[in-house]
Amino acid sequence: DVKVTQSSRYLVKRTGEKVFLECVQDMDHENMFWYRQDPGLGLRLIYFSYDVKMKEKGDIPEGYSVSREKKERFSLILESASTNQTSMYLCASRAGGSGELFFGEGSRLTVL
Amino acid sequence: DQQVKQNSPSLSVQEGRISILNCDYTNSMFDYFLWYKKYPAEGPTFLISISSIKDKNEDGRFTVFLNKSAKHLSLHIVPSQPGDSAVYFCAASAQTGANNLFFGTGTRLTVIP
Repeated sequence: DVKVTQSSRYLVKRTGEKVFLECVQDMDHENMFWYRQDPGLGLRLIYFSYDVKMKEKGDIPEGYSVSREKKERFSLILESASTNQTSMYLCASRAGGSGELFFGEGSRLTVL
Repeated sequence: DQQVKQNSPSLSVQEGRISILNCDYTNSMFDYFLWYKKYPAEGPTFLISISSIKDKNEDGRFTVFLNKSAKHLSLHIVPSQPGDSAVYFCAASAQTGANNLFFGTGTRLTVIP
């Protein structure tokens, strides 16, 4: 089974702090994604990566950056957390050429 | 603007009956559609998909119907079971394997025993 592991299930941070959300997948997938899920808005794509060191902006990249130094690991970085970044963050991976995404369990971030 | 819409935020169904979850989309370029199921405190899991060259795809108790002219798809669950209680998201992309899936806002299904 594909496993996508997100390092932190629950985080509480203060406004202005730098936040790292880590994601690791074990299936050698080329593509990795970061989404955020908010009530009434569904899942919105923040960034995705189709290869090591490659990244593309999604629909809502403002306030976020990403890092993909190794194929299995995709990190989401909030340089200076703000209260409107309080959300559920979902990492996903996918093999090339397939539409199905495999999601991690999510990281619920609260910014105070 | 939301390109994939699920207008019913919640649905309650008796166990054993049919559950019908609906999804509408606005982008005529979408040609691949998926349904995901999400339990609380877990990530979404893939349920079933359909390509625009088909109008129906079936997998056990789950059937997805696609009406391209109406830009509408639906997920039928028959018979519904209490374990089906979850949030269901539909998603669409402009080509199979495209890197951006557009998700709806989700419908919370409750199956009453």
